[in-house]
Amino acid sequence: DVKVTQSSRYLVKRTGEKVFLECVQDMDHENMFWYRQDPGLGLRLIYFSYDVKMKEKGDIPEGYSVSREKKERFSLILESASTNQTSMYLCATQAETQYFGPGTRLLVL
Amino acid sequence: GEDVEQSLFLSVREGDSSVINCTYTDSSSTYLYWYKQEPGAGLQLLTYIFSNMDMKQDQRLTVLLNKKDKHLSLRIADTQTGDSAIYFCAERASGTYKYIFGTGTRLKVLA
Repeated sequence: DVKVTQSSRYLVKRTGEKVFLECVQDMDHENMFWYRQDPGLGLRLIYFSYDVKMKEKGDIPEGYSVSREKKERFSLILESASTNQTSMYLCATQAETQYFGPGTRLLVL
Repeated sequence: GEDVEQSLFLSVREGDSSVINCTYTDSSSTYLYWYKQEPGAGLQLLTYIFSNMDMKQDQRLTVLLNKKDKHLSLRIADTQTGDSAIYFCAERASGTYKYIFGTGTRLKVLA
C-alpha cells in the first residue's frame, strides 16, 4: 500500500510566522504535489515536483515556496503566513493515479 | 481554461441510489476520476474511466461518461450512511501531470 504522511494534522500559527509543512512518501514516486482545499473551491494546485530539486508552479503559488531535497520528501513553505492562508493542505504523490496524505489543517491567527 | 463543475450538496435516504454529476470543459481529457473524502481525511481514489469508455461498473459504483456533452456521473447503488462524504471528480489529459479537480459534492445519507 502507498503511504503518504504529513507532519501535522492540525497547526496554529500567527501572522508573519514562517511555516513548514512536510510530506513524506514511501513508494519512490517521482511526482509529488501540494494542494490547498477550501470550501466551494475544491482542490487548487500550489506547486508540484517531478524530481529531486525540480519544481513547477501550480495555479496559486503566490505566498508559497517548496523544497525537494530528497525523493521521498516534499516540503511546502509559507515564508510569512497570512490569515488568507488558513486552509486544509493536502499532499499527493502520483504513479498511475494520485495518492493523498491525510491533510494538514492550518489556522493562521 | 479548464474547468470542472459539480453541484455542492446532495442528500439521499439510506438504501436509495445516489447520482453525483460532473461536467468538464477540456476536450483533451483522457482520464476521469472519482475520489472520496471522508471527514478529516485526505482523498481516496474510488474509480476512474478512460475517455474511450462509456461506462464502468465496480460493485455498487457505476460511472457513466457522455463525452459529447462532457458529462460524467457516479451512481452509488444502495447508499449507506458510510457513503456520507465529499466526492470529487477530476480530469487529466494524457501526457500531463496536472489534475483538474471539481469543487466537490457533499453527500449526506439520511437514516
